[in-house]
Amino acid sequence: RKEVEQDPGPFNVPEGATVAFNCTYSNSASQSFFWYRQDCRKEPKLLMSVYSSGNEDGRFTAQLNRASQYISLLIRDSKLSDSATYLCVVLGGGADGLTFGKGTHLIIQP
Amino acid sequence: NAGVTQTPKFQVLKTGQSMTLQCAQDMNHEYMSWYRQDPGMGLRLIHYSVGAGITDQGEVPNGYNVSRSTTEDFPLRLLSAAPSQTSVYFCASSYGTVNEQYFGPGTRLTVT
Repeated sequence: RKEVEQDPGPFNVPEGATVAFNCTYSNSASQSFFWYRQDCRKEPKLLMSVYSSGNEDGRFTAQLNRASQYISLLIRDSKLSDSATYLCVVLGGGADGLTFGKGTHLIIQP
Repeated sequence: NAGVTQTPKFQVLKTGQSMTLQCAQDMNHEYMSWYRQDPGMGLRLIHYSVGAGITDQGEVPNGYNVSRSTTEDFPLRLLSAAPSQTSVYFCASSYGTVNEQYFGPGTRLTVT
């Protein structure tokens, strides 16, 4: 059984702070990794892919640690609009698609 | 380019009724899938398709059927609705099985 584990939170963070969360996965054969963002009562939307070398997109940085089987997401200078649920997503190598974590709920407070 | 569209947005069914949730994409994606999302459970895969004419079961297929007669459309059929099928249903598509998926806006289904 493929497993993707996340701390559900909520993480309550003041505006402007830096916040980071991790996600662990159990299938060492996993090939692709993503972070999705989901707003309340909306569909998940791709935030960023996670590459082996790590990648950065503006205030967001994603890292992959294959040895320890986790991925991380760092948000710098957090904005009120960053409040959402962040889903860790792992592709296990089969045709049955992506395995989603249950999400980490982030609340940015003014 | 509308992306992934789903209809209806909301639906209330009585136990035992059947219905079809529609999903269409205009991105020429080969891979399409259906998920349900329940509080505390995350997204769970119901059925998926790697191309027209090919479908397969996901994690929670019981009570649902799918077909993929065209690349664009991937309808989900509830054969005999049960209260346990009350959920939010998302359709998603991607170029292939290793690519990021794009989601439709979801269908909120209540079965009474």
